[in-house]
Amino acid sequence: QKEVEQNSGPLSVPEGAIASLNCTYSDRVSQSFFWYRQYSGKSPELIMSIYSNGDKEDGRFTAQLNKASQYVSLLIRDSQPSDSATYLCAVYPAGNNRKLIWGLGTSLAVNP
Amino acid sequence: GAVVSQHPSRVICKSGTSVKIECRSLDFQATTMFWYRQFPKQSLMLMATSNEGSKATYEQGVEKDKFLINHASLTLSTLTVTSAHPEDSSFYICSAPWGAGTEAFFGQGTRLTVV
Repeated sequence: QKEVEQNSGPLSVPEGAIASLNCTYSDRVSQSFFWYRQYSGKSPELIMSIYSNGDKEDGRFTAQLNKASQYVSLLIRDSQPSDSATYLCAVYPAGNNRKLIWGLGTSLAVNP
Repeated sequence: GAVVSQHPSRVICKSGTSVKIECRSLDFQATTMFWYRQFPKQSLMLMATSNEGSKATYEQGVEKDKFLINHASLTLSTLTVTSAHPEDSSFYICSAPWGAGTEAFFGQGTRLTVV
């Protein structure tokens, strides 16, 4: 059973702090990794995609991938109350590049 | 990013009736689309994979005769909830991958309430 695991939270950080969200996956040969943000009552929206080891930065967001440790993370710098949402990690397993495997999500609360 | 449009955003129907939800990829062709269901404060649950020109693939435990999926063209997939009951009330979301191994884009979701 291929799995993606996240800490459900809630993760609570003060405004302006760095929020660190973590995700581990079981399929060692997975190739594509994604972070989605979902506000309550809305559908998920793509935040970051990452395909190779290392860091990828986009504005206040940085995705970090370590394939050896089967670990992908999302850092949010200068957290804002508007970042309060559930963050979903998704992975394509080997041999199936059409159906994403989803984590259960981490709830983030940024306190003013 | 690519745009996926889902309609309607909200629907209220009477128990026993059927409801059709449409999912369109507006600026790209999608040979595959996915239908999810999400209950309050729970994660996404994949219901089925919609394949253009062939039968949908349903996840274990999902009744294919109740949730009819049609992928008639490269830009349109529909989900029909037949003989809806109050327990079918949920948030239904479609998504389509931009391409093989790439990010998936989501429709806005449909809030179904069966009364």
